[in-house]
Amino acid sequence: GAVVSQHPSRVICKSGTSVKIECRSLDFQATTMFWYRQFPKQSLMLMATSNEGSKATYEQGVEKDKFLINHASLTLSTLTVTSAHPEDSSFYICSAYPGTGGSEAGAFFGQGTRLTVV
Amino acid sequence: AQTVTQSQPEMSVQEAETVTLSCTYDTSESNYYLFWYKQPPSRQMILVIRQEAYKQQNATENRFSVNFQKAAKSFSLKISDSQLGDTAMYFCAFITGGGNKLTFGTGTQLKVEL
Repeated sequence: GAVVSQHPSRVICKSGTSVKIECRSLDFQATTMFWYRQFPKQSLMLMATSNEGSKATYEQGVEKDKFLINHASLTLSTLTVTSAHPEDSSFYICSAYPGTGGSEAGAFFGQGTRLTVV
Repeated sequence: AQTVTQSQPEMSVQEAETVTLSCTYDTSESNYYLFWYKQPPSRQMILVIRQEAYKQQNATENRFSVNFQKAAKSFSLKISDSQLGDTAMYFCAFITGGGNKLTFGTGTQLKVEL
């Protein structure tokens, strides 16, 4: 099946610093990728839709200046958490759809990134 | 707007037994797709099974099968011959045809016990 790789899997950063998370589609091109946030024992919350070559679309309530998304190529999207604070600590997951199957085939997810801000 | 409801926060089953996880959804769309995803302790989301709304036949993938009742807007997952490796959070998800945003349920934590 299609592979989506996310890096790093874990990161600890100091409050006030910025952290970049990468999401790569390894064996397919993805014009659109998605970023989710997941709190412990809860469902995935869509944060934003990353569009290759254009601006990301953010869900209501998500601070676009805090969560910067760049989709510079057909295989890479990055999420940068700027000026991170302890309340940004969470599990972040990206996903993408294989091009041929479209969304109907089901999304494939990265391994997730556990961010801890101290 | 679409909604997905999973009314069982937690379930447990004995190894080798069968368990059914419930999911209901609400939509006014006629063309859509339904999925079950598994999230084990590693937290990697894994696609378990998918169902096209226009197909009456229930999808099956090895030990996993669904009971899709379109009129009732119900989409339950049956796991046969449960294994310890099936222990995970299971999410029901929905997407409209042509859409690209998944709507997830709140999840059911399944524990398979010896």
